[in-house]
Amino acid sequence: DVKVTQSSRYLVKRTGEKVFLECVQDMDHENMFWYRQDPGLGLRLIYFSYDVKMKEKGDIPEGYSVSREKKERFSLILESASTNQTSMYLCASSLRSSGGGWQFFGPGTRLTVL
Amino acid sequence: EDQVTQSPEALRLQEGESSSLNCSYTVSGLRGLFWYRQDPGKGPEFLFTLYSAGEEKEKERLKATLTKKESFLHITAPKPEDSATYLCAVETSGSRLTFGEGTQLTVNP
Repeated sequence: DVKVTQSSRYLVKRTGEKVFLECVQDMDHENMFWYRQDPGLGLRLIYFSYDVKMKEKGDIPEGYSVSREKKERFSLILESASTNQTSMYLCASSLRSSGGGWQFFGPGTRLTVL
Repeated sequence: EDQVTQSPEALRLQEGESSSLNCSYTVSGLRGLFWYRQDPGKGPEFLFTLYSAGEEKEKERLKATLTKKESFLHITAPKPEDSATYLCAVETSGSRLTFGEGTQLTVNP
């Protein structure tokens, strides 16, 4: 079974802090994604990567950056956390051959910025 | 701009009471439509992929269908363990998905 793990289930940070969210997948997937999920807004794509060191902006990249130095690991960085970044963050991965749709998700990180 | 709209937002059923969830979409070239299930506090879990109008997929009490403008997730004789949020998503280009807001299903015993 594909496993996608995220470094923390719950995280509390202060405004202005630099925040790192880590995601690791164990099935050699080329594609990796970062979403945030908010009530009434659904899942929104922040960034995705289709290969090591490659990244593409999603629909809401402002205030975020990403890093993919190894195929299995995709990091989301909040350079200076703000209260409007309080959200559930979900990481996903998929095989390039399956396109983007058959995505396997991690359990999520619930981030609170005070 | 690709848009996905799911209805209803919430649905409450009695055990055994069949119903359908709707996902309507406007996209500029559908590559696939996906249904996911999400339990509270967990990430979405893949259920079905549909690629062309007229296609149907089934899994236990769930059946997904696709037309040129919408998809339905039919739930036959649901059980309490079917309670979850059901998400619909479309893939258009570049391996990206656009998600609807989901339908929160509650099945009472």
